[in-house]
Amino acid sequence: EVQLVESGGGLVQPGGSLRLSCAASGFTFTNFWMHWVRQAPGKGLVWVSRIHSDGSSTNYADSVKGRFTISRDNAKNTLYLQMSSLRAEDTAVYYCARDPRGGTCDLWGQGTLVTVSS
Amino acid sequence: DIQTTQSPSSLSASVGDRVTITCRTSQSISTYLNWYQQKPGKAPNLLIYAASSLQSGVPSRFSGSGSGTDFTLTISSLQPEDFAIYYCQQSHSTPLTFGGGTKVEIK
Repeated sequence: EVQLVESGGGLVQPGGSLRLSCAASGFTFTNFWMHWVRQAPGKGLVWVSRIHSDGSSTNYADSVKGRFTISRDNAKNTLYLQMSSLRAEDTAVYYCARDPRGGTCDLWGQGTLVTVSS
Repeated sequence: DIQTTQSPSSLSASVGDRVTITCRTSQSISTYLNWYQQKPGKAPNLLIYAASSLQSGVPSRFSGSGSGTDFTLTISSLQPEDFAIYYCQQSHSTPLTFGGGTKVEIK
């Protein structure tokens, strides 16, 4: 089955760190750019970051630049998002998404909730 | 950054109605525009890519049009399963940006 499955979310204190994972299956992971998109409770979708299929290029939203790091392990078919210096405004459901054509997300995971609170 | 604005933010419609949602970008993006549907508690689902191309498996009652800065998503005959939130998203350049969403509710 073609799918993406996120994990690693949870409750973390302000200033803390968390690493999200996204396991891909059912397709050739190395053929696709990958993205992280987040959605605060009751709010809209916000793009966070993307990474080239071979990991050679990355981009970030200004709101997370310098605090979040996207990476991938193509041998394990897994995407990561290392989050540090977390703030209350980072509280959201984080989705990973597959990109077949440069900025279009055609397959999404179910999301993992990150809550930043003391 | 390219600003992406949707209208209306919500609408009420009946089953069988024709529904149109508009998306406008702050600069020309050719046809680098996608549309997604999101139902409560679920991940977004791609409907339309490159402004007017129907994603595989999406019903043909969904269509998209436009280029440059003005785009439209049309549902030709609204079905019960279409009540959801719809987002446009520009894929012209990073940061990728989404519209604020349009909630389609039952009248």
